[in-house]
Amino acid sequence: AQSVAQPEDQVNVAEGNPLTVKCTYSVSGNPYLFWYVQYPNRGLQFLLKYITGDNLVKGSYGFEAEFNKSQTSFHLKKPSALVSDSALYFCAPIYNQGGKLIFGQGTELSVKP
Amino acid sequence: GAVVSQHPSWVICKSGTSVKIECRSLDFQATTMFWYRQFPKQSLMLMATSNEGSKATYEQGVEKDKFLINHASLTLSTLTVTSAHPEDSSFYICSARVQDTQYFGPGTRLTVL
Repeated sequence: AQSVAQPEDQVNVAEGNPLTVKCTYSVSGNPYLFWYVQYPNRGLQFLLKYITGDNLVKGSYGFEAEFNKSQTSFHLKKPSALVSDSALYFCAPIYNQGGKLIFGQGTELSVKP
Repeated sequence: GAVVSQHPSWVICKSGTSVKIECRSLDFQATTMFWYRQFPKQSLMLMATSNEGSKATYEQGVEKDKFLINHASLTLSTLTVTSAHPEDSSFYICSARVQDTQYFGPGTRLTVL
């Protein structure tokens, strides 16, 4: 079955520390993988995507993600967290070109000063 | 990046009335747009895929006669919630696809009294 899992409902990080938001996906072909961020009462903003090529993908606002095929993971990372990074983060694969995004439950990131 | 707008950003209506939400791609043409619904602290639920010039494709369990979707041009899709009831109160988000990436609108908060 095509699915995605974000095992942590919430991640708490101190400002300036590195952050990781985890995502694993089910193995079904070669999915495209996306990360989106949602601030309160707003729509989703595109952060980055993996289609093919280099496993390390760099995106907006200093975020990056590493595609790991053997672990079927696509964890989101940032070397130094900012308070303004506090938001809801969604990992979402697409399993067929032109297909639908499969959303996980999201991970609430809280960065404290 | 691609910009998607929604109007209105919030709306309050009486039970039994109909509400129309507009989704526009501002700087690109979108043959495919998507409509999502999001409950508080939850993930996005895909309601339907809107295709320009043809009928929308609804997800299982979504009433097509209640949630009318029209995609009459390459930059505009509308969602009409007909005979709205309090249980229709939610955050509605649209997206438009550019090649392999979906870009989301800011969302519309619907409250039905």
